Amino acid sequence: QSALTQPASVSGSPGQSITISCTGTSSDVGGYNYVSWYQQHPGKAPKLMIYDVSNRPSGVSHRFSGSKSGNTASLTISGLQAEDEADYYCSSYTNSSTLVVFGGGTKLTVL
Amino acid sequence: QVQLQESGPGLVKPSQTLSLTCSVSGGSISSGDYYWSWIRQPPGKGLEWIGYIYYSGSTYYNPSLKSRVTISVDTSKNQFSLNLSSVTAADTAVYYCARQDPGGQQLDYWGQGTLVTVSS
Repeated sequence: QSALTQPASVSGSPGQSITISCTGTSSDVGGYNYVSWYQQHPGKAPKLMIYDVSNRPSGVSHRFSGSKSGNTASLTISGLQAEDEADYYCSSYTNSSTLVVFGGGTKLTVL
Repeated sequence: QVQLQESGPGLVKPSQTLSLTCSVSGGSISSGDYYWSWIRQPPGKGLEWIGYIYYSGSTYYNPSLKSRVTISVDTSKNQFSLNLSSVTAADTAVYYCARQDPGGQQLDYWGQGTLVTVSS
């Protein structure tokens, strides 16, 4: 069982917006602004999409945005495109001895 | 552009030690600006952070694996390595190496990953 809780799947049509949630506790998501989001296409390595809750690395589309409220972080993808179909994982720093925890992953389907 | 590449055996027998090496190019481990990490992903499952090493040799391991994990660094070769002892079928996974930011702990550059199967 993953430390952070994500929905198993979400879907949307091209051009629409979707949001993926990531729920933790005050020891991780809620206590620190150190939430990251990763995109993983089948057979590929994860790619960093968002860090420090809402920052985008250079080269990541502005269609990807992150936010946080309380113990829940969110990844929003606007203007859905077919290439966005992938698995998405959230991650957070935790003040427990584990240091880094991941969510179980969310499969995004573009209809 | 930083690049990481994992190498090592794709098949390990139960009870033996899994050993992988990550070669880093486009950046120096000795810069001291980042941690260098290992993450694994069992087939069809999610990601698990294994641990990191700093250029000085200091390490931090996931408590769930701490008793079996050793991460080492060779700054002269710009490489770092993972040893996981007493493996079982549950250790079958794609193993990734990555660069980790010491502030927010995000993993900003990843290797392509290597599948290690534990089987007799």
